[in-house]
Amino acid sequence: GESVGLHLPTLSVQEGDNSIINCAYSNSASDYFIWYKQESGKGPQFIIDIRSNMDKRQGQRVTVLLNKTVKHLSLQIAATQPGDSAVYFCAENIPPGRGSTLGRLYFGRGTQLTVWP
Amino acid sequence: DGGITQSPKYLFRKEGQNVTLSCEQNLNHDAMYWYRQDPGQGLRLIYYSQIVNDFQKGDIAEGYSVSREKKESFPLTVTSAQKNPTAFYLCASSIPAKHYGYTFGSGTRLTVV
Repeated sequence: GESVGLHLPTLSVQEGDNSIINCAYSNSASDYFIWYKQESGKGPQFIIDIRSNMDKRQGQRVTVLLNKTVKHLSLQIAATQPGDSAVYFCAENIPPGRGSTLGRLYFGRGTQLTVWP
Repeated sequence: DGGITQSPKYLFRKEGQNVTLSCEQNLNHDAMYWYRQDPGQGLRLIYYSQIVNDFQKGDIAEGYSVSREKKESFPLTVTSAQKNPTAFYLCASSIPAKHYGYTFGSGTRLTVV
């Protein structure tokens, strides 16, 4: 029969507030992490990335923090705007290993961010 | 401008039919990928291709087939063997070993009628 869709984690914020979206990753060998933004009915768009030898990286209004000890990644959006409303995915790159010649990106389920005016 | 083009944007399939989703890129990327996205779930890899005339199964390849006859093109066929094909399909490309991040197309929404 039909499977029931899972509900995404959600975050609702007021326009102008800061948003923090969290992600737990699974593999300690992951060497690269990316945050994507996906608007309804569209493909994911790159926001910011970070390599595993870094703890923090800043972009325009966005900051990514990496805590390798607890395998945790977060995306901070400053002064959140209605146009930021979307689903946000984290992805981890696992390097090529035994039996594989291609590193793989693995995607989380995503968090639905809603910004209220 | 360089990018990835997926077509059609919406596709309807009758029971027992095969349908083909198009993916074309002009980014000169070597690797291309097909993902399936269901409501409330992350992206699941169907097939990927590192170079022309070569492709590998991903995590959910059953009921799907691909070809990579040209670097720019990576069409996905959803066969009648795929029992639950209704989903949003995303194509992506990358330069392996140089740029880990993927560039995505705008997606094709496939519905069984």
